[in-house]
Formats: sequence, structure tokens, C-alpha cells
Amino acid sequence: NAGVMQNPRHLVRRRGQEARLRCSPMKGHSHVYWYRQLPEEGLKFMVYLQKENIIDESGMPKERFSAEFPKEGPSILRIQQVVRGDSAAYFCASSPTSGIRDTQYFGPGTRLTVL
Amino acid sequence: DQQVKQNSPSLSVQEGRISILNCDYTNSMFDYFLWYKKYPAEGPTFLISISSIKDKNEDGRFTVFLNKSAKHLSLHIVPSQPGDSAVYFCAANPTNTGNQFYFGTGTSLTVIP
Repeated sequence: NAGVMQNPRHLVRRRGQEARLRCSPMKGHSHVYWYRQLPEEGLKFMVYLQKENIIDESGMPKERFSAEFPKEGPSILRIQQVVRGDSAAYFCASSPTSGIRDTQYFGPGTRLTVL
Repeated sequence: DQQVKQNSPSLSVQEGRISILNCDYTNSMFDYFLWYKKYPAEGPTFLISISSIKDKNEDGRFTVFLNKSAKHLSLHIVPSQPGDSAVYFCAANPTNTGNQFYFGTGTSLTVIP
């Protein structure tokens, strides 16, 4: 039973480029969460999605960031026109049921470096 | 605004002794708390949780204590083992806000053989 998968594991982008981070939840999980960990900080919630729906995006920056979880395929976190401050580890987590206080299973993260 | 704080960035403990990791929070609406363990290059792994209706929850070598009046929780690991060496995050969830968890900055535990 594969865990949460994220790719790429490492991503390097130049300022102004786009970054696409992918997350495949555990089999049978239909709830996905994205977190960002800046250097020397804890994980910060960004967005919570179910299939084809954004449930809570209160942690997402208002501009340049978007997320989707289509009916088929992985969840995508998209960062347009990246800046150096976007350099961080981005973690995806998934949960199986209604999601309310359900245990979230984390992927290994994508480390984004913006040059 | 860091609502969940882990003031000790690192902790070293001898194998076999007790490890105590601390966490403080400021939001009185938090009523569900979790601890996660994280190894390098991996995602966090759920360890143990506690609801605010309890003051203690135990799972094997791991016990979490909650002091609501002090807005403080702690994770006790006894006996500590070298494989416990990792970064430990505490996280909190407020009442009626679904799945938004607030994480601390982590404490790096080193268990010395």
C-alpha cells in the first residue's frame, strides 16, 4: 500500500518561472492538504481539497498560488512567477474519510529552490 | 503569529532515559492536539493525539500530557531509543474549523546510545 507520493522531490526554478508540485494521495483517500515549511519555521496550512473541490484555502497566499484536485490524477499546487521567498519545503497530506480531525498522512515533500 | 510554540529547538537524551518535549499554545479555541515525528527527507508521521476532554493519553512508550489551564502539552518518551532521534512537531486544531492544523516549529531530539 503505497503512501502519499509527491514529485518532484526537488525543484529548482528561476525567479519568474512557474512551479508545479504534484501529490498523489494514499489509495482510498479523497482528501488532500498542502502545507508549506519555510526555513526555521513549522508547517503552515495552505489549502484543503476534496476531489474537484477546494474546501478551505484560508492559508493560501492571495496571488500567484493555486491548487486543484481533479477527478482523475494527482493534486497540483501551482505557483506562478516564483520569487525567492517561495523557496521552502511543500508537504502534501491525505486522509481517508470525512477529514474532520482525521489522521493526515504526509508525503516526503517537495523542496523548491528559487534562484 | 505563531500560535503553537516549541521553545526548545533541540534536546539530547541518553538512551534508556526519559525524553520530554514541550509545546505551548496561545489560542484557547484549540481543543485537539497531535504530535508528529519527522525523519530527514521524509514527511511527518503521526505519533499520538489528545483531545481536550482528557489530560493524558498513552500509547506504548509515548505519553502526551495536556494542561489546559497552562495551555501546555508535553510528550514523554520512555525509555528513549536511538531510533527516536528525529524532529518532533506538535500541532493543534481549533474547535469547529475542520482540518486546519497549526504546527509548532519542531524540536530535534537526539538519543545518544
